[in-house]
Amino acid sequence: GESVGLHLPTLSVQEGDNSIINCAYSNSASDYFIWYKQESGKGPQFIIDIRSNMDKRQGQRVTVLLNKTVKHLSLQIAATQPGDSAVYFCAENPPPPKTAGNKLTFGGGTRVLVKP
Amino acid sequence: DVKVTQSSRYLVKRTGEKVFLECVQDMDHENMFWYRQDPGLGLRLIYFSYDVKMKEKGDIPEGYSVSREKKERFSLILESASTNQTSMYLCASTDLWGGDPRYTSGGELFFGEGSRLTVL
Repeated sequence: GESVGLHLPTLSVQEGDNSIINCAYSNSASDYFIWYKQESGKGPQFIIDIRSNMDKRQGQRVTVLLNKTVKHLSLQIAATQPGDSAVYFCAENPPPPKTAGNKLTFGGGTRVLVKP
Repeated sequence: DVKVTQSSRYLVKRTGEKVFLECVQDMDHENMFWYRQDPGLGLRLIYFSYDVKMKEKGDIPEGYSVSREKKERFSLILESASTNQTSMYLCASTDLWGGDPRYTSGGELFFGEGSRLTVL
C-alpha cells in the first residue's frame, strides 16, 4: 500500500496473477480519485479514475474500488503482465474553490515488480 | 495525442545558480502544474496556474517561482539553486475540471517526461 517516507512499498507478483494495490486517502471531502502508472524514465500516465458517487469502475484489465467509509482506494490489475511493472500512484482531488482548478494530492507510490 | 514537453531531461547545476525549467503543452489547457518527485514522497505540488499570468502556491513553493506569460508555456524558476532541490521535476496540464461542467473537480493530468535536476 501507499506510505510516506523514503522507502517505496513494493509488490512482487507472478506473471499472470492478479495484483491489488492499496491506497489510503486523507480528505473525506475528496470527490475525485485517479490512478497513475509511471514506468522508469517516464512521466506518470493515466490509468483509471473514479468519482465519489461510485464505488467501482472497470477499465481494460483494471478495476478501481472506492470505499469512502474507510477512505480507501484500490487498484486491481487482472492477469498481470511484465509491462505492468512500474510505480503506481493514487491521487485525490478535494473539491476546490473555483480558482483552484484541478489540484491533485498524490500518495507516495507503490512499486510493482512482475516476475516471469 | 496530448503532448507536454519539458525542455531539459537532465540538468546539473551548481549551488547558487539560477535555474529555468521550461514546459510547453499543445492542447490549449487552462491549468498547468509543477511537481517535484522524490522517492517515497510521491509527487508534491510546487505551483500551479489556471490562466495566463495567474499562479497559486502549491504545497512546497519555498525556493521556487513560476511564470506563465503564454497559455501554452509554464516555467519553473529556482532563483538560487540549493542541494536540497536536487530532484525530478514534472510538469503537467489539464483542461478546466476535465471539461465536464457537471463537476467542480476532476480530470486527467497529462505529464511531461520529467526533468532530473542535480545541484552540486
